Amino acid sequence: DAGITQSPRHKVTETGTPVTLRCHQTENHRYMYWYRQDPGHGLRLIHYSYGVKDTDKGEVSDGYSVSRSKTEDFLLTLESATSSQTSVYFCAISSTASQPQHFGDGTRLSIL
Amino acid sequence: SQQGEEDPQALSIQEGENATMNCSYKTSINNLQWYRQNSGRGLVHLILIRSNEREKHSGRLRVTLDTSKKSSSLLITASRAADTASYFCATDDNTDKLIFGTGTRLQVFP
Repeated sequence: DAGITQSPRHKVTETGTPVTLRCHQTENHRYMYWYRQDPGHGLRLIHYSYGVKDTDKGEVSDGYSVSRSKTEDFLLTLESATSSQTSVYFCAISSTASQPQHFGDGTRLSIL
Repeated sequence: SQQGEEDPQALSIQEGENATMNCSYKTSINNLQWYRQNSGRGLVHLILIRSNEREKHSGRLRVTLDTSKKSSSLLITASRAADTASYFCATDDNTDKLIFGTGTRLQVFP
């Protein structure tokens, strides 16, 4: 498996609280992605990064922010969690935009 | 807005049978990729086919691409119980992003 670690793997929190998910890679890949996966929607891109401090929005970016201060770490923050953000979140990496992506095992986030 | 749509949504077969799943997409692409997801795990890349290719093989997997119809198919031959998973197509339209379909759930019975 590609060296991708997501933390935490599971989290339960309350509406209105801030939440930060971490993706850590040991592959030195340039591209990192955050997706959410919900029944009936497949994977939807939240934000992605094409280098340190270079990020862009995806399809479902509202309510989420990201930061990438080092090549190996990509953080996803929910500033004020809402129940609609209950989901499974996946991080992925790739060496270039056209190469296959390698995925972490996900973070299951429940917002009550 | 989903670029890729898989068909069928779910498929149940016996071990040894072939499984075919289809993907349709909307715009021009650079390449199309297929991924597998086992329950509770992340997606795993299976195969990539470029827009100028029509067919590609990898072990028991065969992928075809018809850019005139904006469609692709994934064939798994001689299926095994271990092939039970969800399968997703994803399109690369040269925008730094992959767009994933909603997936096909494959169940292979022993």
